[in-house]
Amino acid sequence: DSGVTQTPKHLITATGQRVTLRCSPRSGDLSVYWYQQSLDQGLQFLIQYYNGEERAKGNILERFSAQQFPDLHSELNLSSLELGDSALYFCASSPRTSDRNEQFFGPGTRLTVL
Amino acid sequence: AQSVSQHNHHVILSEAASLELGCNYSYGGTVNLFWYVQYPGQHLQLLLKYFSGDPLVKGIKGFEAEFIKSKFSFNLRKPSVQWSDTAEYFCAVNGWGGGADGLTFGKGTHLIIQP
Repeated sequence: DSGVTQTPKHLITATGQRVTLRCSPRSGDLSVYWYQQSLDQGLQFLIQYYNGEERAKGNILERFSAQQFPDLHSELNLSSLELGDSALYFCASSPRTSDRNEQFFGPGTRLTVL
Repeated sequence: AQSVSQHNHHVILSEAASLELGCNYSYGGTVNLFWYVQYPGQHLQLLLKYFSGDPLVKGIKGFEAEFIKSKFSFNLRKPSVQWSDTAEYFCAVNGWGGGADGLTFGKGTHLIIQP
């Protein structure tokens, strides 16, 4: 157990809908990262938040957004869902943002878009 | 932009065989290097990491990796594999500085150990 929690574990929804995925980082970790794992794209970095502020963006679609709250949990919002958004979404956390960055991953949320 | 290439997508070995999984990266500066493992139905777990210093790093479960800067490589090794090593293995990299801390992952190597 990494100490990173994600809810829900599974989510099934329809195209065009909007969903919110939630992540609670390890106690004391300030950085939260979101990744998408799909069969065709592999594991891709989406976005990073540090202490409530957006720090880095990866291959995140404009239909997706995230935020980190004062208690440091984070939410990833996916809207106008398409079949291709079906994937495993991982959250990771690290103590701070620095040059020596070890990230701890949560169990993931499996999103199925029908 | 940084990229990671894992040469073997599927590897099948017998128990007690030696393992080496290849990883090459592309990045213009100093990097942090990682190997993560994902057991069936589980989350990613860190096997080992390299930040600086001794290029031969030892991780958990008997795994080790060697950073060869001239070859931009960070290959994972284990002298004798066990059935429980069956999993997906990912090499990952992120660069020093620049503010972008997201990891860039390779496509993964699916390792199957036959008893």
